Amino acid sequence: KAGVTQTPRYLIKTRGQQVTLSCSPISGHRSVSWYQQTPGQGLQFLFEYFSETQRNKGNFPGRFSGRQFSNSRSEMNVSTLELGDSALYLCASSPQSVGYTFGSGTRLTVV
Amino acid sequence: AQSVTQLGSHVSVSEGALVLLRCNYSSSVPPYLFWYVQYPNQGLQLLLKYTTGATLVKGINGFEAEFKKSETSFHLTKPSAHMSDAAEYFCAVSGNQLTFGKGTKLSVIP
Repeated sequence: KAGVTQTPRYLIKTRGQQVTLSCSPISGHRSVSWYQQTPGQGLQFLFEYFSETQRNKGNFPGRFSGRQFSNSRSEMNVSTLELGDSALYLCASSPQSVGYTFGSGTRLTVV
Repeated sequence: AQSVTQLGSHVSVSEGALVLLRCNYSSSVPPYLFWYVQYPNQGLQLLLKYTTGATLVKGINGFEAEFKKSETSFHLTKPSAHMSDAAEYFCAVSGNQLTFGKGTKLSVIP
């Protein structure tokens, strides 16, 4: 059974640009969550999608957005990138909302 | 509201010694509790989870954790540390989303 796949693994962007990260959940998992990991703030919840609907949202500015498609694949978008957005972005999938399996993450560097 | 406190940002043990990583939680509802491990430049791997039932939970790689409601704790243990256990460990509590502790970096001294 394939795991959670995140693409790309590494990304370098310039301040002010926008970026889209992709997450393919485990087959059959309908819940996809996104987390930001930084050395200073640790692991912080961004948002969760279930059956194409955003179910929960963390305390991040509106520059951070996401969506989920009918096949449960999810994307997150960050607009007007700031240096502080440099982080490891982790996606997790779950059949419901318990028992999350994480992907390997996308390492975003903003220069 | 829920929160997790991991005591000790860095723990060092000798190879073969007991590993004890401490986690205390706060939750307004009966919690689901998790321990994850993260190796450098990797995602999070689930070690074990407590949902309901038996309070002593066994996980992968010889780790186990005990849910103690009276102490609001979910400490992670392993009887004998191995070099391959060196990694960062995260305790998490689940409500509407996973809330993580700050992590404990485990070093294993040969």
